[in-house]
Amino acid sequence: AQSVTQLDSHVSVSEGTPVLLRCNYSSSYSPSLFWYVQHPNKGLQLLLKYTSAATLVKGINGFEAEFKKSETSFHLTKPSAHMSDAAEYFCVVTKTSYDKVIFGPGTSLSVIP
Amino acid sequence: NAGVTQTPKFQVLKTGQSMTLQCAQDMNHEYMSWYRQDPGMGLRLIHYSVGAGITDQGEVPNGYNVSRSTTEDFPLRLLSAAPSQTSVYFCAIGRSNQPQHFGDGTRLSIL
Repeated sequence: AQSVTQLDSHVSVSEGTPVLLRCNYSSSYSPSLFWYVQHPNKGLQLLLKYTSAATLVKGINGFEAEFKKSETSFHLTKPSAHMSDAAEYFCVVTKTSYDKVIFGPGTSLSVIP
Repeated sequence: NAGVTQTPKFQVLKTGQSMTLQCAQDMNHEYMSWYRQDPGMGLRLIHYSVGAGITDQGEVPNGYNVSRSTTEDFPLRLLSAAPSQTSVYFCAIGRSNQPQHFGDGTRLSIL
């Protein structure tokens, strides 16, 4: 069975400082992993995805994530937070086939001016 | 370019009523799915479809029905609304099991 754990339900950073949102997964197979962002009252937007190519994945808006198999982690980072980054972030895992996706519970990111 | 359009945006129902949440796409993707979002639980998959005429159950299918007669449309039906179905519902599309585009959601309250 697959599962996703997002280690922090809420993260608060100051504008201009680095962002780290943590995600650990459990999967019996080589997984595909994703990060999505959800701004208030909006649908989810795909930030980036890992599908067994390069372990360091670059996404939109300056975000990137590193797949570490030994640690079963896929943490999301950004060097410098902007006010517009304040949102809910979801880590997602699935098998590389026509199978269901599993969402983590989400991490709410606040950015302080 | 609309992408994924969900209607209505808001709805209030009484227990026992039925209704259909609409989802339409204009990107010709084969994979469409319905999720519900509840506080602290992320998104949970209700039903999904890998093409016209093909649907399957997700994680929480009870109380919901779907059909996929065309590539463009994937309606979600609540058969007899219950307060536990109060939630925000999202429709998503993608090439395979990788939802890439989401609608803006339908906020549903069951009294």
